[in-house]
Amino acid sequence: DAKTTQPTSMDCAEGRAANLPCNHSTISGNEYVYWYRQIHSQGPQYIIHGLKNNETNEMASLIITEDRKSSTLILPHATLRDTAVYYCIVGDTDKLIFGTGTRLQVFP
Amino acid sequence: GAVVSQHPSWVICKSGTSVKIECRSLDFQATTMFWYRQFPKQSLMLMATSNEGSKATYEQGVEKDKFLINHASLTLSTLTVTSAHPEDSSFYICSASTGQGAYGEGYTFGSGTRLTVV
Repeated sequence: DAKTTQPTSMDCAEGRAANLPCNHSTISGNEYVYWYRQIHSQGPQYIIHGLKNNETNEMASLIITEDRKSSTLILPHATLRDTAVYYCIVGDTDKLIFGTGTRLQVFP
Repeated sequence: GAVVSQHPSWVICKSGTSVKIECRSLDFQATTMFWYRQFPKQSLMLMATSNEGSKATYEQGVEKDKFLINHASLTLSTLTVTSAHPEDSSFYICSASTGQGAYGEGYTFGSGTRLTVV
């Protein structure tokens, strides 16, 4: 599975958009990009996934570059409850391998 | 949506004893379940993959005789930490696949079990 690189931490003001980048320069053609988040002391929660096209759901938007070497998760209007560790995972196998993630702190 | 229940949510045990953690898929059949371990301020580390009716597949470096995994039915997998020691204290999380394979949304996680060995 391809390795991902994410910033260790980010801050975002409540109500503003949170843009979380992920670098996956070694991604192969059939590997998906998945985003999960983990709120303190809870199990991870699925957010969104994509292959080539940009995706949007009720939680977030996923922007994947044309060369697929990087992506950005966008939380359009961050709230305090979005404070969590966000994991970008790349793979096509039947298991999820977590990297170090980005700790997003949303402040009032 | 799919729900995975994990029990207990926290447990304290004495060094040398064994502890069993249960992971149940409540509203779907999970042919595959996964067990992770997470130390404070670290990421989740995959320990093993269990398939119903067959032996679990352990990741490199995980002692299969210490972390016994049983997946006896399509809705239940158990992790038993045998002869627990303080260094086994951690947050254990299970995940169940809804059968969508590589699609991330097919994986649902339990709420985790915090194990403290004293």
